[in-house]
Amino acid sequence: KNQVEQSPQSLIILEGKNCTLQCNYTVSPFSNLRWYKQDTGRGPVSLTIMTFSENTKSNGRYTATLDADTKQSSLHITASQLSDSASYICVVKGTYKYIFGTGTRLKVLA
Amino acid sequence: EAGVVQSPRYKIIEKKQPVAFWCNPISGHNTLYWYLQNLGQGPELLIRYENEEAVDDSQLPKDRFSAERLKGVDSTLKIQPAELGDSAVYLCASTSRAGDGEQFFGPGTRLTVL
Repeated sequence: KNQVEQSPQSLIILEGKNCTLQCNYTVSPFSNLRWYKQDTGRGPVSLTIMTFSENTKSNGRYTATLDADTKQSSLHITASQLSDSASYICVVKGTYKYIFGTGTRLKVLA
Repeated sequence: EAGVVQSPRYKIIEKKQPVAFWCNPISGHNTLYWYLQNLGQGPELLIRYENEEAVDDSQLPKDRFSAERLKGVDSTLKIQPAELGDSAVYLCASTSRAGDGEQFFGPGTRLTVL
């Protein structure tokens, strides 16, 4: 069964600290993996896309990794800011379908 | 470039009433998706359109939900009659045939059924 599991479910950190969010998937065939950021009351917005051959990709303070062998991905946030408070959703694309994780809710405190 | 537009943003209705949501995708995007998102959960696909054809509606509760995309551009999702459990955010997304398949999401419609 195609599944995407994320951990932790929620996370609270202090402003300026780093954090890492995890995504494990069992999706076949695999096309790509995206990390989305969803602010409260808004639709998800893509942060980064990972294809099968890519191991690491950065977008500003966000760095995503992908291990296609173990089917794991992570999203590392460096020097967190209050505006990073949001839900982060991992989405794996198969041939036509997008399989969504349940998200990690991040709260950054001043 | 305008993003995906949805309306209304919020809707409060009593159970057993009908409700409709509207979505206008990004211009030129031929694929349109309707998702349901419960609080603290990821989006769940209701229906996918390729142009005006519904190519995946296997998760759409057809006894009360219906959707249309008559001209292959904007789309309407309807619930009739609404039930308490339908309270959720309804997201619309679109993708282009070209590119890497990034889904662009609208802001969603938050439905509350009383």
